[in-house]
Amino acid sequence: DGGITQSPKYLFRKEGQNVTLSCEQNLNHDAMYWYRQDPGQGLRLIYYSQIVNDFQKGDIAEGYSVSREKKESFPLTVTSAQKNPTAFYLCASSMVWGSPGELFFGEGSRLTVL
Amino acid sequence: GENVEQHPSTLSVQEGDSAVIKCTYSDSASNYFPWYKQELGKRPQLIIDIRSNVGEKKDQRIAVTLNKTAKHFSLHITETQPEDSAVYFCAASGRNRDDKIIFGKGTRLHILP
Repeated sequence: DGGITQSPKYLFRKEGQNVTLSCEQNLNHDAMYWYRQDPGQGLRLIYYSQIVNDFQKGDIAEGYSVSREKKESFPLTVTSAQKNPTAFYLCASSMVWGSPGELFFGEGSRLTVL
Repeated sequence: GENVEQHPSTLSVQEGDSAVIKCTYSDSASNYFPWYKQELGKRPQLIIDIRSNVGEKKDQRIAVTLNKTAKHFSLHITETQPEDSAVYFCAASGRNRDDKIIFGKGTRLHILP
């Protein structure tokens, strides 16, 4: 089954701890993205990657970091520098960056900071 | 950069009636306008999209219209059904390699029995 998989689905973190959210896709897509979803705020872009070993900051990158060592994987680390990390995080992929097209989303990871 | 405004934030319509959600964008270079539907507890999924070389696109009960001069586009759902209840997001993107897909804040659509 082709698709995009996020884990974990739910995650709890104590203040001051870093946490890494996993995102894996087997769609052979070049581009991958991380969005943050808060009630009434829509989908805000954190980071995106067009090709392996390259990524760019989105609109709200502060307090987050990513890596793209493999085409299939784009993990997101929420660092202790992120002031308000409690949110729903969505990973997405698309076939080719340069030609706008459909985003395929994962099922999301809900992070709660205690 | 691009900014997308979406209205209304909440919309309730009687089952069988039509629903209209409107979006405006700021960057005249934008040329791709998708709409995503997110049912409760599920991932967003593309339901329809339109590119700037057309003014209207239909797919069964849903249609999207685009007015490039006014920089606004709308989603129309006819003969609404309970399964249409969801949050709908509009988005806009340009044609350049570095252009990002920018989303509106979403519209929560309630279909009333």
